[in-house]
Amino acid sequence: EVQLVESGGGLVQPGGSLRLSCAASGFTFSSYWMSWVRQAPGKGLEWVASIKQDGVEKYYVDSVKGRFTISRDNAKNSLYLQMNRLRAEDTAVYYCARLNWNERGPYFDYWGQGTLVTVSS
Amino acid sequence: SYELTQPPSVSVSPGQTARITCSGDALPKKYAYWYQQKSGQAPVLVIYEDSKRPSGIPERFSGSSSGTMATLTISGAQVEDEADYYCYSTDSSGNVVFGGGTKLTVL
Repeated sequence: EVQLVESGGGLVQPGGSLRLSCAASGFTFSSYWMSWVRQAPGKGLEWVASIKQDGVEKYYVDSVKGRFTISRDNAKNSLYLQMNRLRAEDTAVYYCARLNWNERGPYFDYWGQGTLVTVSS
Repeated sequence: SYELTQPPSVSVSPGQTARITCSGDALPKKYAYWYQQKSGQAPVLVIYEDSKRPSGIPERFSGSSSGTMATLTISGAQVEDEADYYCYSTDSSGNVVFGGGTKLTVL
């Protein structure tokens, strides 16, 4: 059974930093792209970042470029999101999601339960 | 930027058929996917590649796509199907996009 378990969320002041983690199990972690998707309170889903299997190729939504860094440790079956210079608008539940691919592109097939990040003074 | 457009809300009585639409210019060439999100829970994939149903998803959930519109159909909707539903796809450049979500009320 695929399991994704996020941790590391919490309350942080504007301008602060936070590191999210996602522990994966039930599948060969090193064989899949992985992503972070967030959801602001009462709002819809927003893709944040994705990382390829080898950890070299990475993509970000424009609003977090230069502030957030996605990384992974395949030996530990873990995904990370380092968030710096946090803003109030980064307040959201952050989901770890597995990214699958077919001939027409990627899609998210499994999601974790999410971890809440609140940016407030 | 590319957008997927969904109605904000759909309401049906138990046992009726609920249809949620998603429109996007790239849908003729890209698959549509549907996620169900119940209150306080993570999204769950209910339809992939326009019309396929993952294991464990009830048969009353089905999907279709024609031209620039994809449709999620819940035949004989049940109270437990009340949730937010999001369509998802990619644009011609491969950028991932979610629709704004549709709140399904079953009562």
